[in-house]
Amino acid sequence: AQSVAQPEDQVNVAEGNPLTVKCTYSVSGNPYLFWYVQYPNRGLQFLLKYITGDNLVKGSYGFEAEFNKSQTSFHLKKPSALVSDSALYFCAVRDRSGSARQLTFGSGTQLTVLP
Amino acid sequence: GAVVSQHPSWVICKSGTSVKIECRSLDFQATTMFWYRQFPKQSLMLMATSNEGSKATYEQGVEKDKFLINHASLTLSTLTVTSAHPEDSSFYICSARPDTYEQYFGPGTRLTVT
Repeated sequence: AQSVAQPEDQVNVAEGNPLTVKCTYSVSGNPYLFWYVQYPNRGLQFLLKYITGDNLVKGSYGFEAEFNKSQTSFHLKKPSALVSDSALYFCAVRDRSGSARQLTFGSGTQLTVLP
Repeated sequence: GAVVSQHPSWVICKSGTSVKIECRSLDFQATTMFWYRQFPKQSLMLMATSNEGSKATYEQGVEKDKFLINHASLTLSTLTVTSAHPEDSSFYICSARPDTYEQYFGPGTRLTVT
C-alpha cells in the first residue's frame, strides 16, 4: 500500500520569506513523487516531480523539493514567497514497483502568503 | 505542456436527472484516465480508473451503476452521474496519463444537484 502525509493543514508565511510545505510518504518499493497546486475552483496544476537522479528537484514558479529517502520525505520549498503563491498544495506518490497505477494524494496544505 | 479539458465546467441539475461530464486530452493520447471527486477543502478521492476500450475499475464504495464511465477513445472519457441527488454535489476532476510517470489534470466540473 502507498500513502502520503501532509502534517500541516495550514501554513502561513510572510511575503518574501522562505516557505516549506511538508510531505512524507510510505511505499513498499521506490517512489515516484509529485507536487501539485490547486487554486479555488480549479483543477490541479503540476509543479514538479521526482523520478530518479538528483535529490533536489526544481519545478515551476521557483518551487523546489528535496527527496530524502532516509526520512521518506519530499518537502516543497521556495526561497521567497509571493502573495500569488497562496493556494492549496498536494503531495502525491506512486510506488514504481507496485501494481497500483494511480497516484495517492496527501490531504493537502493550504498555503497563505501574507503581504 | 499536456492539456486536459473538461466540459462542462459548471452544471446545475435537478434531483433525479442524469448529468454527463466529458474529459478530453487535447494534445496527447491517454490510455488511462482517472476520475476524482473532491469535497471543499479536502483532498482528491479516486473514484475510478478507466482504460481505453475496456471497463472502468471502480474504487471501493463507488457505485458503478450510479457513476457510469466510458473511455471510448484515447482522448475522451465520460462520467455520467445517473439519477443525481443532492449528496452527489461535488467537484469532479479527471486526469489523463500519457506515459508512465505523469498525470495531467482537467480544470474540474462543479456539479450542484438541487
